Amino acid sequence: DQQVKQNSPSLSVQEGRISILNCDYTNSMFDYFLWYKKYPAEGPTFLISISSIKDKNEDGRFTVFLNKSAKHLSLHIVPSQPGDSAVYFCAARYGGATNKLIFGTGTLLAVQP
Amino acid sequence: DTAVSQTPKYLVTQMGNDKSIKCEQNLGHDTMYWYKQDSKKFLKIMFSYNNKELIINETVPNRFSPKSPDKAHLNLHINSLELGDSAVYFCASSQDVGRIKETQYFGPGTRLLVL
Repeated sequence: DQQVKQNSPSLSVQEGRISILNCDYTNSMFDYFLWYKKYPAEGPTFLISISSIKDKNEDGRFTVFLNKSAKHLSLHIVPSQPGDSAVYFCAARYGGATNKLIFGTGTLLAVQP
Repeated sequence: DTAVSQTPKYLVTQMGNDKSIKCEQNLGHDTMYWYKQDSKKFLKIMFSYNNKELIINETVPNRFSPKSPDKAHLNLHINSLELGDSAVYFCASSQDVGRIKETQYFGPGTRLLVL
């Protein structure tokens, strides 16, 4: 039972355009959401996060939007750069004392020069 | 000056063997985690320790045993390795567990191949 889903396994975008990566979740007990970026043969690197009480968080070229009623979040990258090409994982945290994260299966973003 | 490091980076071994993977963090964090990423790329939590106390223990075979000698180290020992244990194992750490914004920082991964 996948509680965090990234339905697009891959996405290709032209350099300079906007990349939009999507993530859906099913558990309303999640209280914190994170995006991680992963290059081949490396560990995931934290990118940006959002609390469940917010609907938007922005950091430079990266913006995360949260729609709680739809149980949907998205990561916008603008403008996209070739160095952004990587696998992006969405993760959701259960509220409580363990900081347990549930990860999506990832979306491979390819930014074409 | 790696924040979260794992050794070895690659591990190739035979079925039935016992192996250990080591993890160290120099971030001064209180909490450490082990994740498994299988062939389908699912990244799943296995264990977590907070101040050397086990706080997450997911449904994994008891052939897997984590050990935390101190807050900076979390090792993973695997007995009687099976083909299905082949995966990438990631260690992570976070400052604590109870804060509203708690970020986990990952190591580079250990690629385990069981033959």
